Amino acid sequence: ETGVTQTPRHLVMGMTNKKSLKCEQHLGHNAMYWYKQSAKKPLELMFVYSLEERVENNSVPSRFSPECPNSSHLFLHLHTLQPEDSALYLCASSHSLQGAGWGYTFGSGTRLTVV
Amino acid sequence: GEDVEQSLFLSVREGDSSVINCTYTDSSSTYLYWYKQEPGAGLQLLTYIFSNMDMKQDQRLTVLLNKKDKHLSLRIADTQTGDSAIYFCAERENDMRFGAGTRLTVKP
Repeated sequence: ETGVTQTPRHLVMGMTNKKSLKCEQHLGHNAMYWYKQSAKKPLELMFVYSLEERVENNSVPSRFSPECPNSSHLFLHLHTLQPEDSALYLCASSHSLQGAGWGYTFGSGTRLTVV
Repeated sequence: GEDVEQSLFLSVREGDSSVINCTYTDSSSTYLYWYKQEPGAGLQLLTYIFSNMDMKQDQRLTVLLNKKDKHLSLRIADTQTGDSAIYFCAERENDMRFGAGTRLTVKP
């Protein structure tokens, strides 16, 4: 366990389903991130939250909807996904949004398969 | 945009040293990181180096930084089969920027 917990670990969903990914950290970190990791592609930063406010949305389709109700929890709500959205979704947190001395702590990821 | 580049694959024999190389373009990067990702897992921070250092050693890991050439390397001494994983180089001034990852395969 790294201190960042993601659930579920695996998710299979149909294109018409609605599901949510959950990320939780109790490290006292103020910044949280969603990344998408697809086969043979670099890590793609999707969303960044700092002190529960979204500070970055990297041109992510609206079928992905993030939510950060408090500094310890981050959700990614999914609806009407496409097969190309199948990937490993990684959550990370860091002490602060800025400040290069702080690395990111990653969760183990949710392996999403869209059928 | 600024890039972090790594070769995609490296294969070594068990017991040999592995050297994974990385180049970056942002000269303002303050910290540089190496992360390890094992199959089915997230990224695990292995080590980091501050930009005013040129070397850092931590047990079997040695990080070398050539700031002039913007070149970072990770050397793993006495590589074991358990070291097989994907290794990501990353730089951070504010946002963290990752390379595409180098898949290290260790053959018995």
